[in-house]
Amino acid sequence: AQSVTQLGSHVSVSEGALVLLRCNYSSSVPPYLFWYVQYPNQGLQLLLKYTSAATLVKGINGFEAEFKKSETSFHLTKPSAHMSDAAEYFCAVWYNQGGKLIFGQGTELSVKP
Amino acid sequence: DAGVIQSPRHEVTEMGQEVTLRCKPISGHNSLFWYRQTMMRGLELLIYFNNNVPIDDSGMPEDRFSAKMPNASFSTLKIQPSEPRDSAVYFCASSLGTSGGLYPQETQYFGPGTRLLVL
Repeated sequence: AQSVTQLGSHVSVSEGALVLLRCNYSSSVPPYLFWYVQYPNQGLQLLLKYTSAATLVKGINGFEAEFKKSETSFHLTKPSAHMSDAAEYFCAVWYNQGGKLIFGQGTELSVKP
Repeated sequence: DAGVIQSPRHEVTEMGQEVTLRCKPISGHNSLFWYRQTMMRGLELLIYFNNNVPIDDSGMPEDRFSAKMPNASFSTLKIQPSEPRDSAVYFCASSLGTSGGLYPQETQYFGPGTRLLVL
C-alpha cells in the first residue's frame, strides 16, 4: 500500500529564513508525488508535482522539491520565507490502483516577522 | 474561469437532519472528486466520478452518505441522517484528462470547501 508521512505537524520559521517541510513516502512502485498548499478558509492549491521526469521540481511561489529515491523522500523547500507563505502544506502520493491521491496529515507553516 | 464552485460555504444543522452539499466543477473537466477534511483523519477521498459515472466510492463512510452526478456540471453529496461526527470541511475537486483522473498528470483543482457543523 502507498502512504505518505509528513514529519512535523507545525513548523515555524522567521521571515527570510529557509523553509524545509519534510515528506516521506512508502511505495512499491515508482511514485508520483505532489505538494499542495491550503491558505486559511480556502481549498487546496497545487504547488508542484513529480511525475518521474527531473528529480528537482520547481513550483509556484519559489518553492521546489527534490525526489530522492534512496531516502524515499520528497521534501519541500524555499530559500527565503515570506509572511504570505504561512499556510498548511500537504504532501500527497498518487495511488496507482484506483487513481487516488493519498494525502499526508499536513504541516502548518508559521512565519515570524 | 470561475474555478470549482461549492455551496453552501457553511452549514450548521441538527443531528438527524438531511444535508446536501453541492459542487460545480470547472467547465470541461470530466472527473470530479469529493474529499472530507477533519483534524483527526486529515484529508480523505470519499468518492470520485469520471464522465458522471462513480468510479470508486470505497471512501464513503457508510450508507448515510450518497453522491450523485446527474450531469457534467453538477454533483451533490448527501448525508441522511447527519450525525455530529460528520462535522468536517468537505471539498470538491475536478480535473481534466482522458483517463478520468487515473493519471497523476491530471491536476486536481479544489473548491473552497463547505464547512459543516452538525449539532
